[in-house]
Amino acid sequence: EVQLVESGGGLVKPGGSLRLSCAASGFTFSNAWMSWVRQAPGKGLEWVGRIKSKTDGGTADYAAPVKGRFTISRDDSKNTLYLQMNSLKSEDTAVYYCTRDLDGGPTRWGQGTLVTVSS
Amino acid sequence: DVVMTQSPLSLPVTLGQPASISCRSSQSLVYSDGNTYLNWFQQRPGQSPRRLIYKVSNRDSGVPDRFSGSGSGTDFTLKISRVEAEDVGVYYCMQDTHWPPTFGGGTRVEIK
Repeated sequence: EVQLVESGGGLVKPGGSLRLSCAASGFTFSNAWMSWVRQAPGKGLEWVGRIKSKTDGGTADYAAPVKGRFTISRDDSKNTLYLQMNSLKSEDTAVYYCTRDLDGGPTRWGQGTLVTVSS
Repeated sequence: DVVMTQSPLSLPVTLGQPASISCRSSQSLVYSDGNTYLNWFQQRPGQSPRRLIYKVSNRDSGVPDRFSGSGSGTDFTLKISRVEAEDVGVYYCMQDTHWPPTFGGGTRVEIK
């Protein structure tokens, strides 16, 4: 069974940093394209970024609101996806979901981890 | 960015009756490989989203066959043939043809 378990969320001050992790199991993580999607409280879904498998180049792409501040990485030896978030703003407050992407979209989602940016 | 516009915003339905949600994109979603990367997601209250449909009309594993997707180009539809109580929630369309992937604003399905 595919499982994605996010961790690392919490309360952080504006301008601060946080690193989220996503532990994956139940599939061949190294072959998977993975993404982060966020959802502000009471709002809709917003793409954050995606990382390709190393076989497909291993590069990451980002949505404009986070480009230059957020970095997605992966450790295939640990089956873990990361999201390093720097220079956090109040508008980054959201539940962050880790997803496995397949057939043109996120086929599996984690339970999410809440990031609150507030002074 | 490609804008995904869903309608209606809210959809009150009677149990056992059909429901239909529309999703329109600001550009054609046909990719250079010939596929159309249009997805539909369901988010039940308090839960993570779950994908129902990929590439316009393909149901994900475990999705009941009362859910169906159709459409082409810029115009897409999600249909529920007979709404059940467990179908309450917010439904989102999402395109993954053009970068960045973008979601519709969501349609809230509720029972009358």
